[in-house]
Amino acid sequence: SQQGEEDPQALSIQEGENATMNCSYKTSINNLQWYRQNSGRGLVHLILIRSNEREKHSGRLRVTLDTSKKSSSLLITASRAADTASYFCATLSQGGSEKLVFGKGTKLTVNP
Amino acid sequence: DTAVSQTPKYLVTQMGNDKSIKCEQNLGHDTMYWYKQDSKKFLKIMFSYNNKELIINETVPNRFSPKSPDKAHLNLHINSLELGDSAVYFCASSKRTGGDGYTFGSGTRLTVV
Repeated sequence: SQQGEEDPQALSIQEGENATMNCSYKTSINNLQWYRQNSGRGLVHLILIRSNEREKHSGRLRVTLDTSKKSSSLLITASRAADTASYFCATLSQGGSEKLVFGKGTKLTVNP
Repeated sequence: DTAVSQTPKYLVTQMGNDKSIKCEQNLGHDTMYWYKQDSKKFLKIMFSYNNKELIINETVPNRFSPKSPDKAHLNLHINSLELGDSAVYFCASSKRTGGDGYTFGSGTRLTVV
């Protein structure tokens, strides 16, 4: 069953602006991961945040996790046209089967 | 050096045929996965193997049969293909089950006509 739900479904911004994508999930998690998928390509792992972490940075990416609200956000600062892609959150549930469950994704378009 | 490689990249075949997709990883990972991405970009796990042992088998028609000859390879065989099987199939691997990021292959676009 689907776990993560990204919001918005689509986002269009200008180069240089910041892009924020949100993810909500339903069950207790072990960790939450964000992936990028360029058109016609495979998924690329961006960042992993564990359930006991609240914020993590990697380059221009900032991920937050609020386990009380069961939500996460991905912020891309100073966006570039090359950031145009679909972004997926994925959750690994606590206990239970060890499978990564993906949300539906946010399609980000960065206009030059 | 390709980390997770899938072949073929494209596969067009007629209904009723049997086809296989191959996957190999050179990362030394213990766990491999098959995911299906539908036309709406929704990704759903199908199978997972850890050191050649099947650990996840989602509700997938038994026309789909994974095979892992060794921990570096995970193949997917599909019998009696149906129109609804058209999708992009992704192979992925991880160091250990679920705890780390996955490395995905570039996908196999299967079209059943």
